[in-house]
Amino acid sequence: EVQLVESGGGLVQPGGSLRLSCAASGLSFSNYWVHWVRQAPGKGLVWVSRINSGGSSTAYADSVKGRFTISRDNAKNTLYLQMNSLRAEDTAVYYCARDGSAWSLGYWGQGTLVTVSS
Amino acid sequence: DIQMTQTPSSLSASVGDRVTIACRASQTISNYLNWYQQRPGKAPELMIYGASSLQSGVPSRFSGSGSGTDFTLTISSLQPEDFATYYCQQSYSTPFTFGPGTRLGIK
Repeated sequence: EVQLVESGGGLVQPGGSLRLSCAASGLSFSNYWVHWVRQAPGKGLVWVSRINSGGSSTAYADSVKGRFTISRDNAKNTLYLQMNSLRAEDTAVYYCARDGSAWSLGYWGQGTLVTVSS
Repeated sequence: DIQMTQTPSSLSASVGDRVTIACRASQTISNYLNWYQQRPGKAPELMIYGASSLQSGVPSRFSGSGSGTDFTLTISSLQPEDFATYYCQQSYSTPFTFGPGTRLGIK
């Protein structure tokens, strides 16, 4: 069974940093592209970033470009999201998701809440 | 960036009803269109990928159609567990944008 477990969320002040992790099990993690998607309280889903299977290619939403960095450690079956210069509008539940067929997001973690507030 | 719109934004229906949700892309995305279901407090779940392919384990009352810029999700006979929010998402090019969602409620 595929399982993705996010961690690292919490309360951080504006301008601060946080690193999210997503631990994968039950799948050949290194074979798949993986993504971060976020959802502000009461709002819709927003795609944030993705990284290819080997970690050599990344892409970001304009709203986080230059502030967030996605990375992965295939030896540890773990995906990361380094978030710097955090803003109030970054407050959201952050989900990691693994590629499915036709570039869909086939498997999702349960999410971790990031709150940016003073 | 490709913009995604969904109609309606919300609807109310009864168990056993047939419902259709529409999704439109701002430019052609071939069949790189996916549908997700999200229940309150839960992570999204993939229902349909590639516009019309049913994800493993998803009931056959769900179906998807369309290509290019216009797509639909149909639930043929609503069950109590189907009342949720549905999102379309394009995976044609990054950023992989989502639609704003359609909240399906009980009438």
